[in-house]
Amino acid sequence: SQKIEQNSEALNIQEGKTATLTCNYTNYSPAYLQWYRQDPGRGPVFLLLIRENEKEKRKERLKVTFDTTLKQSLFHITASQPADSATYLCALETSGYALNFGKGTSLLVTP
Amino acid sequence: GAGVSQSPRYKVTKRGQDVALRCDPISGHVSLYWYRQALGQGPEFLTYFNYEAQQDKSGLPNDRFSAERPEGSISTLTIQRTEQRDSAMYRCASTQGQNTGELFFGEGSRLTVL
Repeated sequence: SQKIEQNSEALNIQEGKTATLTCNYTNYSPAYLQWYRQDPGRGPVFLLLIRENEKEKRKERLKVTFDTTLKQSLFHITASQPADSATYLCALETSGYALNFGKGTSLLVTP
Repeated sequence: GAGVSQSPRYKVTKRGQDVALRCDPISGHVSLYWYRQALGQGPEFLTYFNYEAQQDKSGLPNDRFSAERPEGSISTLTIQRTEQRDSAMYRCASTQGQNTGELFFGEGSRLTVL
């Protein structure tokens, strides 16, 4: 069956450090993968999309890698700030239009 | 509208009652999705529309759940004979075009079935 696995435990890091979140998947061949941010009580907000033929994508302090051989994506936040504290969701394209989401990883950045 | 709008934001109902949840997508957005999200989980796909056509309803849990988008804009998710296990956050999302990837989510409708 298809599975999307994200770090099950919350990630606590110190301000200024780089946060790295992992998304592993099985039984998918996604044309693209996305990362979303979700704050408590709010809907998910799109951050980045990376396609299967792209190895890396950057946006400001964010970087995403996509390894279709390892079936893994890494999401990095450099120079992290307390305002980056949120849940981050990995989502994989399926059927050409739908996204299947992982459970998310909670990130806490402390001053 | 400026964003995806959902109503009601909160709905408390008694077991056995029918509920209708409404989604007004971003103006001009072609595709509309319904997701369900349990606490501490990611959104779970329910159904998908392109314009007024329901392209995929494979995620609807059972035949008590239905959705429509008759004019290709506003959508309604209806749950008949609600059960306690239906309690969840129901989220609507839209995208500008077909298969364009980025989803714009609404704030959701929190359903509680007593």
